[in-house]
Amino acid sequence: SAVISQKPSRDICQRGTSLTIQCQVDSQVTMMFWYRQQPGQSLTLIATANQGSEATYESGFVIDKFPISRPNLTFSTLTVSNMSPEDSSIYLCSVEHSYEQYFGPGTRLTVT
Amino acid sequence: GQNIDQPTEMTATEGAIVQINCTYQTSGFNGLFWYQQHAGEAPTFLSYNVLDGLEEKGRFSSFLSRSKGYSYLLLKELQMKDSASYLCAVRDGSGGYQKVTFGTGTKLQVIP
Repeated sequence: SAVISQKPSRDICQRGTSLTIQCQVDSQVTMMFWYRQQPGQSLTLIATANQGSEATYESGFVIDKFPISRPNLTFSTLTVSNMSPEDSSIYLCSVEHSYEQYFGPGTRLTVT
Repeated sequence: GQNIDQPTEMTATEGAIVQINCTYQTSGFNGLFWYQQHAGEAPTFLSYNVLDGLEEKGRFSSFLSRSKGYSYLLLKELQMKDSASYLCAVRDGSGGYQKVTFGTGTKLQVIP
């Protein structure tokens, strides 16, 4: 299995500001994924981050709003830019390891 | 694109058996996952099916029929702690990279 940590675990931010979420994995992985889970809903894939290349964004998500870094095989960041209350959600980092997908504990973001 | 359907809610009795169904449509099927998610927590991996048939893992079993676009998760000897949301997720490799899409989840309530 893979052990994933995320920082911060939660934050309350003002609209118009930005927050960067960090994801650290205990082993080297090729692909890392960022998901969003809004209250009472399932997970929505934001983007796939491969080391050494640009992230691939899903429909409805753009790089200017959710810039992603992937500097090495164990770390990634997701920034939520120019936040609005609609960005209030849980953001989850995920990795694939031996054909199984594992999730970090999530970052609970509230935008006021 | 992908379309994943599962029931929104189910109720079952402690000690009983429950089957949660999932149907999907995808162009580049490359595996199906089941996850358990307790309220306020990240999803945890339960099973992965890529070939047709039944995979048994303790009290939980998962079945896949690729020709029918159908899977189910079977939970035996239900316990109160099994009350959670169960997410069906499908991996699709048709876009040149592997992408996992989640269904909306089935909220299972186990009653005494």
